[in-house]
Amino acid sequence: DIQMTQSPSSLSASVGDRVTITCRASQSIRSYLNWYQHKAGKAPKLLVYSASSLQSGVPSRFSGSGSGTDFTLTITSLQPEDFAIYYCQQSHSTPVTFGQGTRLEIK
Amino acid sequence: EVQLVETGGSLIQPGGSLRLSCAASGFTVSSNYMSWVRQAPGKGLEWVSIIYSGGYTDYAVSVKGRFTISRDNSKNTVYLDMNSLRAEDTAVYYCAREYSSSSVLDYWGQGTLVTVSS
Repeated sequence: DIQMTQSPSSLSASVGDRVTITCRASQSIRSYLNWYQHKAGKAPKLLVYSASSLQSGVPSRFSGSGSGTDFTLTITSLQPEDFAIYYCQQSHSTPVTFGQGTRLEIK
Repeated sequence: EVQLVETGGSLIQPGGSLRLSCAASGFTVSSNYMSWVRQAPGKGLEWVSIIYSGGYTDYAVSVKGRFTISRDNSKNTVYLDMNSLRAEDTAVYYCAREYSSSSVLDYWGQGTLVTVSS
């Protein structure tokens, strides 16, 4: 199985800040990388697919980049509703696998 | 509007069985790939099982032989039958729709909690 490693595991930031979360795959996954946002008690939400394509309805302050083994999710100008846990997921090979998550907290 | 609603989670003793249901609306489950994903307490997301539009199924190694995924097209519902449950199966179970056979999970339910404990 492809291992996905996210960093950092947790991150404190303030409203208006720019943050970057990284995700590394244990082997090349080309651009088969997706990002999800998860808030407690809610359904996970797809933010970015194919490394850099923004899902419909997702604010443009979210962006993704990368290919091969290294990827990033960037959130510019953090909003209060952005504090959540973020997961990367590879869709290159079955079984699909997820990173361990990055908890984004309010400073 | 696409909606997924999971039900069936409960407290169950080790070795017991449970059926989870995922009722879909806004699309047809038989035309899509549908997955179950779980999150154990304090852990990340783990893919569990998938049913493809053609009916083929697949499972994570950790549940193979114990869990069975199925669907009822007339009810537009996906099921996960869980047998020989273990403490390590304790988790919130989510169902999710796969977008266009891409392994991208574009819609998820809110999950149902399964607790395996004596």
